[in-house]
Amino acid sequence: ETGVTQTPRHLVMGMTNKKSLKCEQHLGHNAMYWYKQSAKKPLELMFVYNFKEQTENNSVPSRFSPECPNSSHLFLHLHTLQPEDSALYLCASSALAGGLSTGELFFGEGSRLTVL
Amino acid sequence: SQELEQSPQSLIVQEGKNLTINCTSSKTLYGLYWYKQKYGEGLIFLMMLQKGGEEKSHEKITAKLDEKKQQSSLHITASQPSHAGIYLCGADRKGNKLVFGAGTILRVKS
Repeated sequence: ETGVTQTPRHLVMGMTNKKSLKCEQHLGHNAMYWYKQSAKKPLELMFVYNFKEQTENNSVPSRFSPECPNSSHLFLHLHTLQPEDSALYLCASSALAGGLSTGELFFGEGSRLTVL
Repeated sequence: SQELEQSPQSLIVQEGKNLTINCTSSKTLYGLYWYKQKYGEGLIFLMMLQKGGEEKSHEKITAKLDEKKQQSSLHITASQPSHAGIYLCGADRKGNKLVFGAGTILRVKS
């Protein structure tokens, strides 16, 4: 069983659809992250959750809506996306020490999103 | 310009050759991380450097941190096809915010 599991691995959606990406970690971590990886661009941090509380929203458009019901699960709800939102969305988790990440992130395999 | 600049952007080496990938930060480095990614997959943690002058090795991969120059280098000795992939450096920004460079694509020819 992998530490961080993302589903679905591939998703194709129209601009008017509503879909969700799911991330689950079995590592006992208390911090979870969403990153976006587009071709030839650096990984972009989108959201950070510590102990289920959102601590970072990196100016992400409201058409991306994260949800963290508990420390093991993280969702990214998608609605009215644009073709330029097509990318690999990576979820990660890390342990926290004194409220700060220990630095080592464990990544899922990613969800490849294509918006038509 | 990006916070973390990696060079080269891509690299093709003959199996058995050594290579170096560099990462330069435009801001003070408090922690520098190296990750490896196979195309379309998640990132695998390689190592973390926190102190100036620190050097760490894992198998044939060595990373060094030059805090004054705000740079880190990743050196692979006697490259193998298994080393192929994308190498990314990451840096701590304000607590839990880990930012990354654009990555260096490494191909190893047999």
